[in-house]
Amino acid sequence: TQLLEQSPQFLSIQEGENLTVYCNSSSVFSSLQWYRQEPGEGPVLLVTVVTGGEVKKLKRLTFQFGDARKDSSLHITAAQPGDTGLYLCAGAPNTGNQFYFGTGTSLTVIP
Amino acid sequence: KAGVTQTPRYLIKTRGQQVTLSCSPISGHRSVSWYQQTPGQGLQFLFEYFSETQRNKGNFPGRFSGRQFSNSRSEMNVSTLELGDSALYLCASSLGGSREKLFFGSGTQLSVL
Repeated sequence: TQLLEQSPQFLSIQEGENLTVYCNSSSVFSSLQWYRQEPGEGPVLLVTVVTGGEVKKLKRLTFQFGDARKDSSLHITAAQPGDTGLYLCAGAPNTGNQFYFGTGTSLTVIP
Repeated sequence: KAGVTQTPRYLIKTRGQQVTLSCSPISGHRSVSWYQQTPGQGLQFLFEYFSETQRNKGNFPGRFSGRQFSNSRSEMNVSTLELGDSALYLCASSLGGSREKLFFGSGTQLSVL
């Protein structure tokens, strides 16, 4: 059972296009993180959001935490080939230290 | 500061064998978590150790076990390997507080034949 569902599962776009990745759950999370994983490597943290409705920007990446803290989105503006990778969301429930990872979105940006 | 180190990088075993994977966390980090990553299931939480004690455990059979040493290094053991255990096993370290940033190693790719 996956607590966090990501969509789309695969995404292939041209350089310069915009895209949005979604992370949805029926559970409430105290915080949510986004990671990017490149082939042959472990995931690397991009951002942590903790407040419902929070929006964080990291250069061309915009992250939003849903008001009810059940969902999140990642928007990339003017995608570049260097953005290629597996994007993972991870939620921390209100109790415990375990993170639940989403199913992942594999992004390919074509030059 | 050195990152999280996992050894070995690749491993090939046959069904029924057992395997031990090692993880050295970032210096000063006291929490080590283990995850299994497969194309179909994504990252699944195995267990977390903090100060040599298992603090959280995921929903995996008892064939999967782990331990943490006084220097925070951790090992994970899988006994009686099954074909379905083929996966990338990732270790992540953190300072140990609640819901802190996880630093992942590059993983051990285990293939069970």
